[in-house]
Amino acid sequence: GESVGLHLPTLSVQEGDNSIINCAYSNSASDYFIWYKQESGKGPQFIIDIRSNMDKRQGQRVTVLLNKTVKHLSLQIAATQPGDSAVYFCAENLPDNNNDMRFGAGTRLTVKP
Amino acid sequence: DSGVTQTPKHLITATGQRVTLRCSPRSGDLSVYWYQQSLDQGLQFLIQYYNGEERAKGNILERFSAQQFPDLHSELNLSSLELGDSALYFCASSVDAGRITGELFFGEGSRLTVL
Repeated sequence: GESVGLHLPTLSVQEGDNSIINCAYSNSASDYFIWYKQESGKGPQFIIDIRSNMDKRQGQRVTVLLNKTVKHLSLQIAATQPGDSAVYFCAENLPDNNNDMRFGAGTRLTVKP
Repeated sequence: DSGVTQTPKHLITATGQRVTLRCSPRSGDLSVYWYQQSLDQGLQFLIQYYNGEERAKGNILERFSAQQFPDLHSELNLSSLELGDSALYFCASSVDAGRITGELFFGEGSRLTVL
């Protein structure tokens, strides 16, 4: 069936570098996407969202890009800090599935000092 | 701190038993969502309640049930437990009930271990 997935299960970056976490989704009907960050021992925390009528959305040090043509979503983190080390999930919401956010498997980001 | 409170944080029990997980949503939030997070399945949506009524159902087993009380706290009941039910169970809350249009606030989870 259709599902949300991630290209890379792990990502290691140097402190201060930019990080890019990718996500592929297969359902073209999905119209809303969220990135979550989950630190060890904690619940997922909202980072940023984007609707399908947008290609890009920026937050504080984070940018989400949406490419509907290839069904690809990415999260860019600028000047990555040790506190950014966590597992990052993308999630999609289908327009006919009100409250069922489908989460990807997650990517573990490790920031090296 | 998300404002969502879950108890217990850890629970160890045996197969065939029944447990109840409790969630208090953020003040003012009317919707409560339950998710299961296991190593091989990721975050799976189980069920949602809004202001005391069931609003949406996901991959919730028949052995599991939930409810939301008048004070808006919610309980997830897991019965006839199996080894495969071992997982982190998260509760999340949001203000409204309709299409998810923004932030879900997650609790820190209840880790269930079935031996």
